[in-house]
Amino acid sequence: QVQLVESGGGVVQPGGSLRLSCAASGFTFSSYGMHWVRQAPGKGLEWVAFIRYDGSNKYYADSVKGRFTISRDNSKNTLYLQMNSLRAEDTAVYYCAKDPGTVGYMDVWGKGTTVTVSS
Amino acid sequence: DIQMTQSPSSVSASVGDRVTITCRASQGISSWLAWYQQKPGKAPKLLIYAASSLQSGVPSRFSGSGSGTDFTLTISSLQPEDFATYYCQQANSFLALTFGGGTKVEIK
Repeated sequence: QVQLVESGGGVVQPGGSLRLSCAASGFTFSSYGMHWVRQAPGKGLEWVAFIRYDGSNKYYADSVKGRFTISRDNSKNTLYLQMNSLRAEDTAVYYCAKDPGTVGYMDVWGKGTTVTVSS
Repeated sequence: DIQMTQSPSSVSASVGDRVTITCRASQGISSWLAWYQQKPGKAPKLLIYAASSLQSGVPSRFSGSGSGTDFTLTISSLQPEDFATYYCQQANSFLALTFGGGTKVEIK
């Protein structure tokens, strides 16, 4: 079945870095755009970044632009989010999600991985 | 960025009730709108896309309508499994996808 599994979350100090991974299975990963979406504790959903199916275009929320980098390895069916210069306000559950085309919706979600930025 | 405003922020309803949630965009987004359901501790689930298209596997008691700036999600007859938080999301521009603040549907 279609599945997304995030990993790489943890506790990191302010200013530190972390790389999240999202392993995809059950569909042709190289044919679909992918998103990262986050949710701070007790808060709503915030879109973080999107990458086209072939990695040719990437888009970011203003809140993470210049600090986060989305990438993908289609040979490994894996999506990544490199997070640098982390701040307390980046503390959240991070979800990867599949786009059904290149339309901006999210039709399949992973269970999420938790990132905590704290000293 | 396009701001998405949902109302109400919470609603108390009983099983069998008709529930309507509204979402307003700060500028026109045509029909580039989705609705998601999220239960505590779980990932969101896509219910409606393109404002009114029902995602595969979603019960027909869920429906969406609207275009431009004003949208609604309707649950025609609330079921016990529908108690959750609902979010709208605009997909008008990949430069900044945005979600509404959420509407929590609680048991009356």
